[in-house]
Amino acid sequence: DIQMTQSPSSLSASVGDRVTITCQASQDITNFLNWYKRKPGKAPKLLIYDASILQSGVPSRFSGSGSGTNFTFTVSGLQPEDFATYYCQQYGDLPLTFGGGTKVDI
Amino acid sequence: EEQLVESGGGLVQPGGSLRLSCAASGFHFSKYAMSWVRQAPGKGLEWVSAISGPATGTYYADSVKGRFTVSRDNSKNTLYLQMNSLRAEDTAVYYCAKDRGFLEWIFDFWGQGTLVTVS
Repeated sequence: DIQMTQSPSSLSASVGDRVTITCQASQDITNFLNWYKRKPGKAPKLLIYDASILQSGVPSRFSGSGSGTNFTFTVSGLQPEDFATYYCQQYGDLPLTFGGGTKVDI
Repeated sequence: EEQLVESGGGLVQPGGSLRLSCAASGFHFSKYAMSWVRQAPGKGLEWVSAISGPATGTYYADSVKGRFTVSRDNSKNTLYLQMNSLRAEDTAVYYCAKDRGFLEWIFDFWGQGTLVTVS
């Protein structure tokens, strides 16, 4: 199975901050990587797919980059609604696997 | 508006069975693959199973293979997960998730989840 190592596991930030999360795959997954946001009691929401493509309707302050084994997710200008847990997910091979999550709080 | 509503969760004893359902609306259900993803208490997300739109292909995580069966009824716009031989480690919130297309493995819409407790 492809292991996804996501870091940090948690971080504290303020409104307006730039936040960066990384995800490292245990083997090359080209650009087969998605990023999701999850708030307590809410369904996960797709933000980025194919490593860098913004899902329709998602604000442009969210961005993703990377290929191969190293990926980065950035929120430029954190908003109050962005305090949540973020997950990466690879689909380079089955089984699909997720990173451990990054909790972004104040 | 797309909607996915899971049901069927509850408390079950180890070794027992449960069938989850996911009712879909607001999109052409049979065109899209669907998956089940779970989250155990205090843990991250774990993909469980997937099924193609016409139900010609099914896929499972090793942790549930041989115990869980995914199916769908496209005439009823409903996805199912039959869970047998349940274990304590199957305790989780189970989400159904819509694929962006035919097994693209990009989940563009999720339900709110249903809690399964094995104890």
